[in-house]
Amino acid sequence: DADVTQTPRNRITKTGKRIMLECSQTKGHDRMYWYRQDPGLGLRLIYYSFDVKDINKGEISDGYSVSRQAQAKFSLSLESAIPNQTALYFCATGLAVTDTQYFGPGTRLTVL
Amino acid sequence: AQKVTQAQTEISVVEKEDVTLDCVYETRDTTYYLFWYKQPPSGELVFLIRRNSFDEQNEISGRYSWNFQKSTSSFNFTITASQVVDSAVYFCALSEAVDSSYKLIFGSGTRLLVRP
Repeated sequence: DADVTQTPRNRITKTGKRIMLECSQTKGHDRMYWYRQDPGLGLRLIYYSFDVKDINKGEISDGYSVSRQAQAKFSLSLESAIPNQTALYFCATGLAVTDTQYFGPGTRLTVL
Repeated sequence: AQKVTQAQTEISVVEKEDVTLDCVYETRDTTYYLFWYKQPPSGELVFLIRRNSFDEQNEISGRYSWNFQKSTSSFNFTITASQVVDSAVYFCALSEAVDSSYKLIFGSGTRLLVRP
């Protein structure tokens, strides 16, 4: 089984809809992250969490919110999706000591 | 501000050629980490290597090798005897401590195409 899983893997939605992307991990890592990937721009950090009670904004948090339900679960929500949020979204986990981040398989989101 | 530059947007080679992917970074910190990730056509991101700023030794892992030079702020990645399965987008990333937390800054990636 994969260490970091994301659901759904693909999603098409309409402008204005609320959508939630979920991430679960079995690696036992405290740190979890959400990134988005756009063509030619690499990955950009949306939100990150160092434990269940710690949530921090990344460089592009506007239009997004997150919830850390447990050490192993970190959800990303788009309250009112817009077309420029069409992207590939990655969840990642990491250990404080090494800060190597391990990525989930990604969720391809299309907002029409 | 920290920045990671991968100037090569796309590289195309024929199988068995050697290829080097360049990565240049900017940081004001003395303690930082550098990473390479591979994104094959299937889309997942695969961790390849992590190097801290105090370790300038080159590293070799099979056909992969990495050359870290602080003097030129570069962390280049070489694939020897490339194979079609090496075709992917490769990302270089920089992590430095900011207020006791580490954040990864990614370059824009280099797409490598290995032709048979």
